[in-house]
Amino acid sequence: ETGVTQTPRHLVMGMTNKKSLKCEQHLGHNAMYWYKQSAKKPLELMFVYNFKEQTENNSVPSRFSPECPNSSHLFLHLHTLQPEDSALYLCASSQDWDLDNEQFFGPGTRLTVL
Amino acid sequence: SQQGEEDPQALSIQEGENATMNCSYKTSINNLQWYRQNSGRGLVHLILIRSNEREKHSGRLRVTLDTSKKSSSLLITASRAADTASYFCATGGQGAQKLVFGQGTRLTINP
Repeated sequence: ETGVTQTPRHLVMGMTNKKSLKCEQHLGHNAMYWYKQSAKKPLELMFVYNFKEQTENNSVPSRFSPECPNSSHLFLHLHTLQPEDSALYLCASSQDWDLDNEQFFGPGTRLTVL
Repeated sequence: SQQGEEDPQALSIQEGENATMNCSYKTSINNLQWYRQNSGRGLVHLILIRSNEREKHSGRLRVTLDTSKKSSSLLITASRAADTASYFCATGGQGAQKLVFGQGTRLTINP
């Protein structure tokens, strides 16, 4: 496992539920990311936070709401999701928001929307 | 789109053989990275090659980059069962502020 943890590892929710995904990095990094990985599709960047400020919102629907209270924690709040939102949600961090830096990924949360 | 595309989509070889995966992309890049993902887990960074580099080695891994052909290859020598995973290339484009991942190559090493 890397220094990036994610909870829960698995989540099943109905379309009317509200849930949150949590990510924590213990690497002292300044940038954190949310990615969505669906079957047979490339990894999709959702959000980027650099020094707690959101720097990228990759046209993500408003039913996904990120929160970054500090540079070590990142949340993804979910509400009124659709079945097509079922996917593996990956959190990552890097030293800075610099594409020369490698990104460290967490194990992901497997989300199923019923 | 600068999206990388891996080839082949799936590769199955015998343990001990070499595995070669290719990545093509469409626009100019600053660097190209390769990542590995074991089933249902997070991605692990393998190697980064910059646009002014042609070849890079890390243990049993060899990465080449041909910017004139907009392509890269990842060679894993003397493969092991533990190398079974999906391998992704990711490109950092000039002026872009995000890595763009390909769909990956699913590598299976048979004992």
